[in-house]
Amino acid sequence: GAVVSQHPSWVICKSGTSVKIECRSLDFQATTMFWYRQFPKQSLMLMATSNEGSKATYEQGVEKDKFLINHASLTLSTLTVTSAHPEDSSFYICSARDLRDRDTEAFFGQGTRLTVV
Amino acid sequence: DAKTTQPNSMESNEEEPVHLPCNHSTISGTDYIHWYRQLPSQGPEYVIHGLTSNVNNRMASLAIAEDRKSSTLILHRATLRDAAVYYCILTTSGTYKYIFGTGTRLKVLA
Repeated sequence: GAVVSQHPSWVICKSGTSVKIECRSLDFQATTMFWYRQFPKQSLMLMATSNEGSKATYEQGVEKDKFLINHASLTLSTLTVTSAHPEDSSFYICSARDLRDRDTEAFFGQGTRLTVV
Repeated sequence: DAKTTQPNSMESNEEEPVHLPCNHSTISGTDYIHWYRQLPSQGPEYVIHGLTSNVNNRMASLAIAEDRKSSTLILHRATLRDAAVYYCILTTSGTYKYIFGTGTRLKVLA
């Protein structure tokens, strides 16, 4: 299957700093990328949907000024957690799809473990 | 958004078939049914997807009920590496986003 790469795999940051997570589709063009957050022993929670060249659409309850999403090209989306606090510590996962063909699946990155201390 | 219902957990013996059920009674006519699985500390891995007809691939088979209100993921011979959380997901028409439910934690016994 297609490959989606996230970087970094894990990061530790100090409270109050910002962290950027990258999501790249390596062998296909992703018209749409999705960002999820997953807390221990819970399911994935969709945070936002981003289409290349457009502003992201955030799910209810997700602060758009805190979780900045940029999808500037068909192969790269970034999630920036601004002014991170310990409660932002979580497993962040991106997925990518090429929605020019609706009968396709999404491919997921390996996830980024964020720990805010 | 159309929702799915899955059992919280299931167990299977190694090398036996496993049938993982999923109910999606509010599915719309254009929603695809996708299955993914997730190992600890990893992103979800695609397993299979379908619309109306049953589907087979090298990993599994997907049996879709005639009224499309339920589906079953079939692992023909479970191995220890198949132990994971399995998610049944409907793609929401219009936005095509995936909403994850709680999934089924599959335990495979040696």
